[in-house]
Amino acid sequence: GQQVMQIPQYQHVQEGEDFTTYCNSSTTLSNIQWYKQRPGGHPVFLIQLVKSGEVKKQKRLTFQFGEAKKNSSLHITATQTTDVGTYFCAKNTGNQFYFGTGTSLTVIP
Amino acid sequence: NAGVTQTPKFQVLKTGQSMTLQCAQDMNHEYMSWYRQDPGMGLRLIHYSVGAGITDQGEVPNGYNVSRSTTEDFPLRLLSAAPSQTSVYFCASGEGLYEQYFGPGTRLTVT
Repeated sequence: GQQVMQIPQYQHVQEGEDFTTYCNSSTTLSNIQWYKQRPGGHPVFLIQLVKSGEVKKQKRLTFQFGEAKKNSSLHITATQTTDVGTYFCAKNTGNQFYFGTGTSLTVIP
Repeated sequence: NAGVTQTPKFQVLKTGQSMTLQCAQDMNHEYMSWYRQDPGMGLRLIHYSVGAGITDQGEVPNGYNVSRSTTEDFPLRLLSAAPSQTSVYFCASGEGLYEQYFGPGTRLTVT
């Protein structure tokens, strides 16, 4: 279908370890967005990537957009307990958004 | 700015009942949308609107209606609730297709 594939579904890490989630599309994307949802909360926008090969950083978070604009990744360096939550990627086609199934991150103190 | 507000926060319905989930935003955003979130399924688009008077179907529109009479409000109507509509519902708004702002959600249970 139109959904983007996101892996892994779950990830448990020790505090201080790194974490990466991947988003893949069978079609070329115009852009990709990333959101974070804390347990019991609502999705919150993190970033939008537009350009082929783009890399953006937000403190310990690094976002990449693939050269072919068919995949993206979010990497967190040295995870903290505040990073706990589910991370979603989202694409838009026309006026519709399609979200990945999300990666749920658990950080073990 | 209150951002995006949703009411109610929780709702329990019996099969066959109807109800309206309310959504309002005070950011003058033209684009508004409704999603449902089910475990392992991510967020799925139900309906969206690109401006007052304009609505369109998303990925999973069956069993839901929407209207957009003002820029601020975008209510979602469940016509005849079914257990399969048990879910968490999020409303969102944005300046076009850029950053989407989500409301706090409505947790709906249909028995």
